Amino acid sequence: AQSVTQLGSHVSVSEGALVLLRCNYSSSVPPYLFWYVQYPNQGLQLLLKYTSAATLVKGINGFEAEFKKSETSFHLTKPSAHMSDAAEYFCAVRIYSGAGSYQLTFGKGTKLSVIP
Amino acid sequence: DAMVIQNPRYQVTQFGKPVTLSCSQTLNHNVMYWYQQKSSQAPKLLFHYYDKDFNNEADTPDNFQSRRPNTSFCFLDIRSPGLGDAAMYLCATSSSGDSYNEQFFGPGTRLTVL
Repeated sequence: AQSVTQLGSHVSVSEGALVLLRCNYSSSVPPYLFWYVQYPNQGLQLLLKYTSAATLVKGINGFEAEFKKSETSFHLTKPSAHMSDAAEYFCAVRIYSGAGSYQLTFGKGTKLSVIP
Repeated sequence: DAMVIQNPRYQVTQFGKPVTLSCSQTLNHNVMYWYQQKSSQAPKLLFHYYDKDFNNEADTPDNFQSRRPNTSFCFLDIRSPGLGDAAMYLCATSSSGDSYNEQFFGPGTRLTVL
């Protein structure tokens, strides 16, 4: 069964420091992977997605993620944290649920705090 | 702009009093999802519609029902809300023509049960 695991439920970084949020996947087939961001009392917004076209994926707000098959990882990075990056981040994998339907299975989320 | 809209954003109900949450979309997507998200947890899929076909997750309580009268609208009915049903409810859409299954989320409805 396909799944994702996010390491670290809470990450704190200083403003201007590197952001690294970890996600490992488990899949017997090439996965489609996603990172979503959720601000307080808001829905989920897509940051970026891996669709096998390129291993380094650039997303919105300066975020990027690198797909590493050998490490079964899809970690999210940003070179310099801004206060506005404080939010919860979810890694997700697309899974087939039958009858032509697909679902997303989410990791448990990582809450990012940015310290001034 | 094409979007997913949820109303109301905040809903307060009493224990056992039925409540309906609504979702509409202007993306013309044929798949619609309802998720429940409790505090500091990942979204949990309750059910989804693939066109008119309803797909219930095995562990979704019978207390939760859904209706999709047309492509644009989908409703979540909670027949007898309990305190444990207090959560954020997220609606999402996708197109079966999109092989990546990118899902577009609404802003959510936060349900409080008194």
